[in-house]
Amino acid sequence: EAQVTQNPRYLITVTGKKLTVTCSQNMNHEYMSWYRQDPGLGLRQIYYSMNVEVTDKGDVPEGYKVSRKEKRNFPLILESPSPNQTSLYFCASRLHRDQPQHFGDGTRLSIL
Amino acid sequence: SQQGEEDPQALSIQEGENATMNCSYKTSINNLQWYRQNSGRGLVHLILIRSNEREKHSGRLRVTLDTSKKSSSLLITASRAADTASYFCATDAGNRDDKIIFGKGTRLHILP
Repeated sequence: EAQVTQNPRYLITVTGKKLTVTCSQNMNHEYMSWYRQDPGLGLRQIYYSMNVEVTDKGDVPEGYKVSRKEKRNFPLILESPSPNQTSLYFCASRLHRDQPQHFGDGTRLSIL
Repeated sequence: SQQGEEDPQALSIQEGENATMNCSYKTSINNLQWYRQNSGRGLVHLILIRSNEREKHSGRLRVTLDTSKKSSSLLITASRAADTASYFCATDAGNRDDKIIFGKGTRLHILP
């Protein structure tokens, strides 16, 4: 089944404790993105990747890192999480720019 | 920076009626996408319309695009309870990157 898989689905952690949210897609898609969704603000793009080893900033990249060492994986790294990064996070992928995005089920992060 | 802005923010209609949501954006685009999200779940792609297209249909969905007015509309005909969800437009800015900007969404509630 074609899908985008995020892990973990839920995480409660404390300020400053490094964490990684994994994202994997099995559709051989070139393009991948991370978004955060906050009430009243819709989805905002954090980082995107157009190919292996090619990543760039989206709208709200501060406090986040990503890597794209393989086509299928695009982890989101919070080196020193802070409470303002408490949010619902989505990973998405698409084959080409003129194709729709496929979304994962989301990761709900709470930073205390 | 938010580009897509949906209107209205919330909409309640009777089952069987048609629902229309609008999206406005600010800069030139490569394509515009509409997504549905059920209560905190992942987003599901509905329709992608390219900048050189004016109208697309998919089942009970009809999307129009007016690039001169920088606006798009999503029409859902003969609404059903299962259409209750949030609907988002997203624009691909059309540059050589993969920056995608989502609107804040329209919450649609179908009354039985």
